[in-house]
Amino acid sequence: QVQLQESAPGLVKPSQTLSLMCTVSGGSIDDSTSYWSWIRQDPGKGLEWIGSIHNTGSAYYNPSLRSRLIMSLDKSTNNFSLIMSSVSAADTAVYYCARWRTHDGFDIWGPGTLLTVSA
Amino acid sequence: EIVMTQSPGTLSASPGERVTLSCRASQSVGRNLAWYQQRPGQAPRLLIYGASTRAPGFPARFSGSGSGTEFTLIITSLQPEDFAVYYCQQYNIWPLALTFGGGTKVEI
Repeated sequence: QVQLQESAPGLVKPSQTLSLMCTVSGGSIDDSTSYWSWIRQDPGKGLEWIGSIHNTGSAYYNPSLRSRLIMSLDKSTNNFSLIMSSVSAADTAVYYCARWRTHDGFDIWGPGTLLTVSA
Repeated sequence: EIVMTQSPGTLSASPGERVTLSCRASQSVGRNLAWYQQRPGQAPRLLIYGASTRAPGFPARFSGSGSGTEFTLIITSLQPEDFAVYYCQQYNIWPLALTFGGGTKVEI
């Protein structure tokens, strides 16, 4: 059974670059039917899709965040990553990694990790 | 951008009751709509996809319906574990965008 686990620094200073990683276990990231994704949730608020990456390396981003994002995946270590530049307090949120299947929804989620942007 | 609007924001109900949650899209999304359940302190969990197909692990008291711009999630006979926040999400214009509604909190 596929499981996901996020890892992140927890605290990042404004204007810095944030790096998150999601480790996939119980299955291969080299799966053509899946898009490996990031979603965030402001504390006490709703959900925002950040971006998704396919095993071919093709990445798709939320248009409102695209200019600050780079996603990648590493088949040798079965994980995928998100880099977000120029962070601000508005980026403080719980960040989830999830598996997206085009007609089946986000069917597997990691437990989430809280990222705080503060000086 | 497709905006998803959920109503009501909060719904108060008692165990055993039937509740109806609504989700409206700013433009047609066909049947490309999913629902998620989020309990406090947990990640969301896929509940419904394709507007009406229940995800594994959810009982038949959960049902989804609708197409185009109007969607409904019905929970018959609320159980204590059903008190949570429910989100709808459209994926009609994937990969351009995936958008969630603001959520409906079902509280006791």
